Amino acid sequence: AQKVTQAQTEISVVEKEDVTLDCVYETRDTTYYLFWYKQPPSGELVFLIRRNSFDEQNEISGRYSWNFQKSTSSFNFTITASQVVDSAVYFCALSEGQGGSEKLVFGKGTKLTVNP
Amino acid sequence: DARVTQTPRHKVTEMGQEVTMRCQPILGHNTVFWYRQTMMQGLELLAYFRNRAPLDDSGMPKDRFSAEMPDATLATLKIQPSEPRDSAVYFCASGPPRVSYEQYFGPGTRLTVT
Repeated sequence: AQKVTQAQTEISVVEKEDVTLDCVYETRDTTYYLFWYKQPPSGELVFLIRRNSFDEQNEISGRYSWNFQKSTSSFNFTITASQVVDSAVYFCALSEGQGGSEKLVFGKGTKLTVNP
Repeated sequence: DARVTQTPRHKVTEMGQEVTMRCQPILGHNTVFWYRQTMMQGLELLAYFRNRAPLDDSGMPKDRFSAEMPDATLATLKIQPSEPRDSAVYFCASGPPRVSYEQYFGPGTRLTVT
């Protein structure tokens, strides 16, 4: 069965610190997709990134970077030089299968607080 | 800027009342999902549709919940009768037909059942 574990329930950092959010997943499928979503205090869910199981290249987008390691079933998310606006709950999610959008299984989320 | 819309944004109702939540997916998206978010359970899938046909509703309490897509521009989630434990934020998301798996979420409906 699919499962996503975000062991860190809450993280608090001071602005400009780097922070890494951990995500470990379980799946029996060889084809799957991993996602990160951000949920700011306003409540909406904002898509950040999608990676497929065949692409282990790390990705960087501005201050955000993602490290995907199949060997450890992890898909960690790092924010460099954090800012107060990064304060949110971050969800890691997993989707299996092919053929179009499929259901997501979410982790419990990590609440990040960036203090000025 | 295409977005998923949901109505109402907030709903307060008394136990036993019927609740209907509506979702307008992004035009051209053929997959629609309903998720529920609570503090205890986190984000969990209730049901989803592709091309208006239900694919999976195993996450939904069948005795009181029902989900439908009367047409390609409208998805509904009904609870009858509502109970206090149904209090949650209900998100609708839609996804495009290509193999991309990106789901775009609506703003959610915050339901409070007293």
